[in-house]
Amino acid sequence: GDSVTQMEGPVTLSEEAFLTINCTYTATGYPSLFWYVQYPGEGLQLLLKATKADDKGSNKGFEATYRKETTSFHLEKGSVQVSDSAVYFCTRSNAGGTSYGKLTFGQGTILTVHP
Amino acid sequence: AAGVIQSPRHLIKEKRETATLKCYPIPRHDTVYWYQQGPGQDPQFLISFYEKMQSDKGSIPDRFSAQQFSDYHSELNMSSLELGDSALYFCASSLGGGVQETQYFGPGTRLLVL
Repeated sequence: GDSVTQMEGPVTLSEEAFLTINCTYTATGYPSLFWYVQYPGEGLQLLLKATKADDKGSNKGFEATYRKETTSFHLEKGSVQVSDSAVYFCTRSNAGGTSYGKLTFGQGTILTVHP
Repeated sequence: AAGVIQSPRHLIKEKRETATLKCYPIPRHDTVYWYQQGPGQDPQFLISFYEKMQSDKGSIPDRFSAQQFSDYHSELNMSSLELGDSALYFCASSLGGGVQETQYFGPGTRLLVL
């Protein structure tokens, strides 16, 4: 079935450090890929998305590229801030076609950024 | 901009009681999804509705039922509550149910079963 695997966490960084959170997905069909972020005590917010191979999603300095050949969607940011501390979920939709877009989440990566 | 509204935000119930969670999607959104997030876990898909018809079903217990009404709001009914039902329940909405559509999440309802 559909699945998403994220790198083991948690991740602790100093402010202005480079961030990479690895994500791979099962290669069934043509899913859309998303990164959602959950700040402490809050709901899920869309960070960025990509709907087809080689698309790059970007938002607030974060980027991720849909790599079909490696079935990956790694999240990167060049310089993290304390306010980026949150849980990050790599997410895929159904395979496409006539399927509806229920989401499958990775296990989440806790990011803590220290001043 | 209007967001997804969920009520109540917090709910405490005893075992074997029933609970009803409500979700009001973003205006003009016709698709609603329900997810359950246990403590320290990732959200798990429960059920979805498109234009008031059930469109997909995930790992939803038989004790739970849901529907989408004519105004597109949705309710998740949970009966014979168990301790293991304690979780954060998210509703999300989208315009159309296609796989490319972004799902916008509500703040969640935190259910505690004692």
